[in-house]
Amino acid sequence: GDSVTQMEGPVTLSEEAFLTINCTYTATGYPSLFWYVQYPGEGLQLLLKATKADDKGSNKGFEATYRKETTSFHLEKGSVQVSDSAVYFCALSKGKAAGNKLTFGGGTRVLVKP
Amino acid sequence: DTAVSQTPKYLVTQMGNDKSIKCEQNLGHDTMYWYKQDSKKFLKIMFSYNNKELIINETVPNRFSPKSPDKAHLNLHINSLELGDSAVYFCASSQEAPGQFNEQFFGPGTRLTVL
Repeated sequence: GDSVTQMEGPVTLSEEAFLTINCTYTATGYPSLFWYVQYPGEGLQLLLKATKADDKGSNKGFEATYRKETTSFHLEKGSVQVSDSAVYFCALSKGKAAGNKLTFGGGTRVLVKP
Repeated sequence: DTAVSQTPKYLVTQMGNDKSIKCEQNLGHDTMYWYKQDSKKFLKIMFSYNNKELIINETVPNRFSPKSPDKAHLNLHINSLELGDSAVYFCASSQEAPGQFNEQFFGPGTRLTVL
């Protein structure tokens, strides 16, 4: 079945450091890819998405590029802030054909220190 | 206004009890979901409903029964609770849009602890 693998955390960084969270997927067909963020005590929020190969999703300074050749969707941010401390989830969806369900990776906790 | 709300936020109960978690969305969406997040933060879909019709029913024990009285509500009833049911349960909703990605909006979660 489909699956998403992302690097385990926690990832601890200093403010203004560069952040990369690796994500790879296994799926048949052409899934859409997403990054969701979960701030402490809250539900998940969509951070960015890419729906086809070579698409780049971006939001709030975060970026990720859909790389079909490496089946990857790594998340990057050039300069993190304390407010970026959260758990980040990589996910895929095959849309309506699969009931729109999201298949998530295991999540990566990021802690940014001042 | 809260878009997707869940009650209760915390639920502590004994093994063997029956409990329900409620979810309501005021976004006018036609599809709702239940996800389970275990202690290691791993998230997995349990059910989805579209216009009150069951669409997804993953490998979930039949002690779990979703009920959708209308398209704005999707409740989760759990019978004979077990220790392994302890988790955070998230409700989500989305609007069907042909040919487009349907962004899912998540509720704040219900933390269930079974003692």
